[in-house]
Amino acid sequence: KQEVTQIPAALSVPEGENLVLNCSFTDSAIYNLQWFRQDPGKGLTSLLLIQSSQREQTSGRLNASLDKSSGRSTLYIAASQPGDSATYLCAGSNTGGFKTIFGAGTRLFVKA
Amino acid sequence: EPEVTQTPSHQVTQMGQEVILRCVPISNHLYFYWYRQILGQKVEFLVSFYNNEISEKSEIFDDQFSVERPDGSNFTLKIRSTKLEDSAMYFCASSPDSLSNQPQHFGDGTRLSIL
Repeated sequence: KQEVTQIPAALSVPEGENLVLNCSFTDSAIYNLQWFRQDPGKGLTSLLLIQSSQREQTSGRLNASLDKSSGRSTLYIAASQPGDSATYLCAGSNTGGFKTIFGAGTRLFVKA
Repeated sequence: EPEVTQTPSHQVTQMGQEVILRCVPISNHLYFYWYRQILGQKVEFLVSFYNNEISEKSEIFDDQFSVERPDGSNFTLKIRSTKLEDSAMYFCASSPDSLSNQPQHFGDGTRLSIL
């Protein structure tokens, strides 16, 4: 049974700082891993999707890595901005992507 | 940009009543999902749906729940005999093709309050 854990639960950083959010999962037979952003009262926005055969994905200031052997993924945010303040969720999908298990999220606050 | 739309945004229902939550997925998407998020807790997978049948469901998705795609555009979640603990945010999502590893697109959710 897949379980996804995220640390830290909350993070407050000054604007401009580079930061890393961590995600771990128990079942290495993962089909893909996604990072989402959730703003208060809103749905989830997909940021990056890493397929099981890939090691990392990049989009703008975001870089996500996947290490299946250790059951870990990281989301790196470069030069953080106040607009990055949100909850970041990590989610792993099983074969075929039919079932996606979410972590509890990291609540990020970037201070201006 | 196309988006997933959910209605209503907030539903208030008396305990024991039936409720139907509605979703319009992105038009060319083939895979559909329902998730729920109890206040302050994780997003939880409920069910995935493809080719007019359930692909996978969680242990939460028991006989109280059902899904349907009644026409070419809507995707509904029905909850029968609602309980207080069904109060949560319910999210619908869709993806173009699960096997090609495309990301899921989420709606803004329906907040369900059971009184």
